[in-house]
Order: sequence, then structure tokens, then C-alpha cells
Amino acid sequence: QLVLTQSPSASASLGASVKLTCTLSSGHSSYAIAWHQQQPEKGPRYLMKLNSDGSHSKGDGIPDRFSGSSSGAERYLTISSLQSEDEADYYCQTWGTGIQGVFGGGTKLTVL
Amino acid sequence: EVQLVESGGGLVQPGRSLRLSCAASGFTFDDYAMHWVRQAPGKGLEWVSGISWNSGSIGYADSVKGRFTISRDNAKNSLYLQMNSLRAEDTALYYCAKDIVSTMIVGDDAFDIWGQGTMVTVSS
Repeated sequence: QLVLTQSPSASASLGASVKLTCTLSSGHSSYAIAWHQQQPEKGPRYLMKLNSDGSHSKGDGIPDRFSGSSSGAERYLTISSLQSEDEADYYCQTWGTGIQGVFGGGTKLTVL
Repeated sequence: EVQLVESGGGLVQPGRSLRLSCAASGFTFDDYAMHWVRQAPGKGLEWVSGISWNSGSIGYADSVKGRFTISRDNAKNSLYLQMNSLRAEDTALYYCAKDIVSTMIVGDDAFDIWGQGTMVTVSS
């Protein structure tokens, strides 16, 4: 069964960097995922699609501070030079067999 | 400007029906698959249903299978979600989302445009 696992929370200081992780369940390490940001009281925003080889394509207007990387079944979102507006929930998403969309549980990022 | 605008939400009693609509603009609607995603109050995102460009491929989350029906009208650039036999646990903000491709691809898919959502509250 396809499952995406994310840590519930993360925190980092203003101006610092943070690396968020999304882990694909066993047997799905070749899957690409997408990262989405949801700021408080707003709808989700597409950040990027991240492939298993670490290549990624970002959405329109996404700053260079956002980057992605991969290692095995893990998919990472790195945010550098953290700003207050980066405080948000971050979700990973992919597509499974049987015509099924899957989201991770989300990571709540706090900027200190 | 690429835009998705949802409508049709509201307060409905358990067991009743509701139809959501999503109006698309700023892109060639019939080139892309489309989805409904929901978010219960204080919870995470849950994929609800998806439909390919020509309605040839349709899928539902187990939680709504047999009760919800997704459809699209490419001539009207519109996506719909017919929700029947509504339950309290269907209470959520419902988002329309655009896929990056015309037909969903296992392990290689993403949603790149989101609407602002329409709220559905199921309560007596």
C-alpha cells in the first residue's frame, strides 16, 4: 500500500535553512512526488515536482530558496534563508495504482 | 491568469445531496486531468476524486466511493462533484486542483494549480 510519511512538525530560525522529509512506503522508491505549501487560512500552493533522481521542476514564481532532493525512498524539501512567510504546512503528494491520489500527513513548519 | 473557482458549498443535512462546481480559466481545460481534494477543519489534505481529460479514467477515495460522482464538461471549462448520502465526516473545505498531465500517471503526477475552496458542512 502506498503511504507517504511526514514528520508532524519542524522548526528553524529566521534566516536559517530547514530540510523537510517525505518518505515513500516500501516498493515505491522510484515514485516522484510533489510538494505543496499551505500558509495559514489559505489554499494550497504547488511548489515543485520532485523525481527519484533529485531532478525537480518548480511552479511559477517559486523562489530559488526552495529546492528539492532525493535519496532512496526519501524526498526532501529544503528552504534556505527562512522568512516569516515560510511558516506554513507542507504536504507531499503522489499518484498510486488503482487511480488513487495520496497525500502525506503534512509538516507544520514554525519559523522562530 | 490561470484560475480555478469553486462554488456550490453550503450547509446540508445528513443524507442529503450537494453538487460542487469548479470553473477553470487561463489554460486549455481539456488538456488536463482534474481533481477534488478536501480538508476537514484542522486536518490535512485528502484526495477525493480525479478525472482524466476525456473522462476515460476516473478514481475515488474509498471514503466516498459509491456516494460521490465526478464529471467534467470541457465545452464549459467546468469540473463537478455530485455528493450524495452526505455524512458528518464529509464536512470539509473542498478544493479543485489541476493536474500537470492529461491522464494520471502512476508514480509521476502532480497537482499544479489549486482553487480557494468551497466549504461543505453536513449537520442537522
